[in-house]
Amino acid sequence: QQQVKQSPQSLIVQKGGISIINCAYENTAFDYFPWYQQFPGKGPALLIAIRPDVSEKKEGRFTISFNKSAKQFSLHIMDSQPGDSATYFCAASIRDSSYKLIFGSGTRLLVRP
Amino acid sequence: EADIYQTPRYLVIGTGKKITLECSQTMGHDKMYWYQQDPGMELHLIHYSYGVNSTEKGDLSSESTVSRIRTEHFPLTLESARPSHTSQYLCASTRGSGQPQHFGDGTRLSIL
Repeated sequence: QQQVKQSPQSLIVQKGGISIINCAYENTAFDYFPWYQQFPGKGPALLIAIRPDVSEKKEGRFTISFNKSAKQFSLHIMDSQPGDSATYFCAASIRDSSYKLIFGSGTRLLVRP
Repeated sequence: EADIYQTPRYLVIGTGKKITLECSQTMGHDKMYWYQQDPGMELHLIHYSYGVNSTEKGDLSSESTVSRIRTEHFPLTLESARPSHTSQYLCASTRGSGQPQHFGDGTRLSIL
């Protein structure tokens, strides 16, 4: 019940295309859903995050869509660029005193020029 | 840009050695975390801390130990390194209360 399931494992997109990464969860106590971007040799960096009272959040080319009833959320990268090539992780946390994050297994995105 | 620093960045060392991985943050965050990550794979929480003198085991069992004597410092220690400890170790911190976790760039540890 603590898992966050992420798909696909890898994704290849042409420059200018839309990249879509999906995550699903079981624990209805999760109330914070961030997406992290990680480049080789670097730590994960927060990309965008959403709370379950909002169905969509957009920041530049990045959009999170959230479906509370289906317990699913997804990241859309519009106009994908070669510089977006990285590993993306979804995560979820419960608003308790620990603020622990449960991470998905990651999606390796390659954007071809 | 978050200020969280990990040293060393890379460490190659023989079996049986005692190792300490350093993590420091200058943001005054109470909550700090250690994750273990094999290259390109998911992150597993191995330790966390609510604040000074507080440490808790994470979701993944680890032979490492941690201490939190100062707010800004959260070192991780392996008393006797083994090849199974080879991995990347990431440190993170947050103010909590809906704020994101900020990560360091990790220590890549190889035990020969």
